[in-house]
Parts: sequence; structure tokens; C-alpha cells
Amino acid sequence: AQSVTQLGSHVSVSEGALVLLRCNYSSSVPPYLFWYVQYPNQGLQLLLKYTSAATLVKGINDFEAEFKKSETSFHLTKPSAHMSDAAEYFCAVTLSGGSYIPTFGRGTSLIVHP
Amino acid sequence: DGGITQSPKYLFRKEGQNVTLSCEQNLNHDAMYWYRQDPGQGLRLIYYSQIVNDFQKGDIAEGYSVSREKKESFPLTVTSAQKNPTAFYLCASSRADRPNSPLHFGNGTRLTVT
Repeated sequence: AQSVTQLGSHVSVSEGALVLLRCNYSSSVPPYLFWYVQYPNQGLQLLLKYTSAATLVKGINDFEAEFKKSETSFHLTKPSAHMSDAAEYFCAVTLSGGSYIPTFGRGTSLIVHP
Repeated sequence: DGGITQSPKYLFRKEGQNVTLSCEQNLNHDAMYWYRQDPGQGLRLIYYSQIVNDFQKGDIAEGYSVSREKKESFPLTVTSAQKNPTAFYLCASSRADRPNSPLHFGNGTRLTVT
């Protein structure tokens, strides 16, 4: 079975500051990991995904995430926050065996202050 | 453009009435999903289908029903047996044959039952 933990239901940063959203996973087999973003009253959009080709994954809008097997982590970062980054962010995991049904974390709300 | 269409965007119903939420996709995806989203609880899986005429219960299927008569369509019925139906409902689709296939989401239906 797989699980995902997102540390911090809310993260607050100033515009221009580094964004760090944390995601830890648990799985018994190599995972596939995803970050999604959700703007108010909309569905989720894919930011980036890890599929074992490279440990550092670049996504849209200058977001990137690094897969660290030893730490079972897939934290999302962005060097400089923009007001438009304010949204809910979800980490998700699927496994190479089984039904391929993703498991989502509870989400982290990113607040950006001017 | 390919995508997922959920309708209506807002839905109001009286307690005791069944209501059906529409979800249509033109991405040629085999897998479709219904999630419920409540504040602070992330996404919870209601039902999923990986092939036409077959579907499986997710984590919170009680009080809900689905059908998958066509590849493109996966309607969700919220029955009067669902004790707390007011929520934001998200439909998604993906390829069913690859674990690294991300989900594509609709823009959701916000259901309010009074």
C-alpha cells in the first residue's frame, strides 16, 4: 500500500521568496510521484511528475521537485514566489504494480504576501 | 482541445432528492474517477472505472452510484442515502495502462444540499 504525507496544511511566503512544499511518501516498490496545483473553484492541473528518468524534475512556472529515495521525499520548490502562485498544491503517488490508482496527500495551501 | 467537461458548475438540491453529476471526456482515456473534496480533507476517491461497463468502489462509495456505459462518460449519482452530500466533486481521467500517466481533471461541480 502507498501513502503520502504533506507537511503543513498552510505555507506562507513573501513575494520573491523561496517556496518549499514538503511531500513524503511510503511505498514498498518504486513509486511514480506527481505534484498538482488547484486554483480556487477549479480542478487540479499537473505541475510535474517523477517517473525515474531523473531525480530532479522541472515543471511548469519554474517549479521543480527532487526525488530523494533515502528520505522518501519529493519536495516541491520554486526560487521566487509570485502572487499568482497562491493556490492549493497536492502531492500524489502511484505504484508500478497493482491498479495504478493514485493516492493524494491532503494538500498544502500556499499563501503569498506582497 | 481535448479535455474533461463537468456540468453543471453549481448545483442546488433539497435534502432527500437524488442528483446526477455529469462528466464527459474526449481524451480517449480508459480510466475515469470521481473524487470528493472537502476543506482540509484533500481528495477522497468515490468510484473509479478502468474500462467500459466496469467500475469499482473507492474509499467513500456509500450513498453514491455510477455507470460507465460509454468510454467518454462517467456520471455520478448522489443519492438521498448520502448523509452529508454538500461538497465539491471532481471528475478525472487517465490512461489505464501506465502508472506514470497523470490524471486530467474537470473543473468540478459544487453541490449544495439544504
